[in-house]
Amino acid sequence: QKEVEQNSGPLSVPEGAIASLNCTYSDRGSQSFFWYRQYSGKSPELIMSIYSNGDKEDGRFTAQLNKASQYVSLLIRDSQPSDSATYLCAGGSARQLTFGSGTQLTVLP
Amino acid sequence: DTGVSQNPRHKITKRGQNVTFRCDPISEHNRLYWYRQTLGQGPEFLTYFQNEAQLEKSRLLSDRFSAERPKGSFSTLEIQRTEQGDSAMYLCASSLSGVDTQYFGPGTRLTVL
Repeated sequence: QKEVEQNSGPLSVPEGAIASLNCTYSDRGSQSFFWYRQYSGKSPELIMSIYSNGDKEDGRFTAQLNKASQYVSLLIRDSQPSDSATYLCAGGSARQLTFGSGTQLTVLP
Repeated sequence: DTGVSQNPRHKITKRGQNVTFRCDPISEHNRLYWYRQTLGQGPEFLTYFQNEAQLEKSRLLSDRFSAERPKGSFSTLEIQRTEQGDSAMYLCASSLSGVDTQYFGPGTRLTVL
């Protein structure tokens, strides 16, 4: 059974702070990893993809992958109230993705 | 540049009825996926098409569920003899061969009464 585990939260951070989201996965065959953001009642929106060990930065977002530890993380710098959403971690291959249950983030003004 | 579209956006049906949903992927994307999401959970994989071929199907998927992509463009997902447990958001995603990133449509929310 392929599993992706996330802390469900909720996670609250003040505006301007760094939000740290974590994820572990069980399938060592997973090749691709993604972070999606999902607002209530909406569909998942891609934030970041990461395929190799190390860090990947895109604007205020940094994804980190450690395949040896089967661990993926997402840092959101200078958090804004508009970042308040559920963040979904996903891993897998071109054929299918396995999603975690999401971490609910609230950024307090 | 249009994204993934899904129709209808909402569907309310009575238990035992059949329902069909449609997904139109991003135009150049040859890979198409169906997922199901219930409240408080992440999307759960249902099935995967590459062009018109259905290459993956979740073992958890009931025989009441069937999906098609006859010409490698749009796809339909049919649920026969709906049950209350089928109530969920049904999400379609698409991607391009060689790029694993999946882009999601707005979803179809199904309510089975």
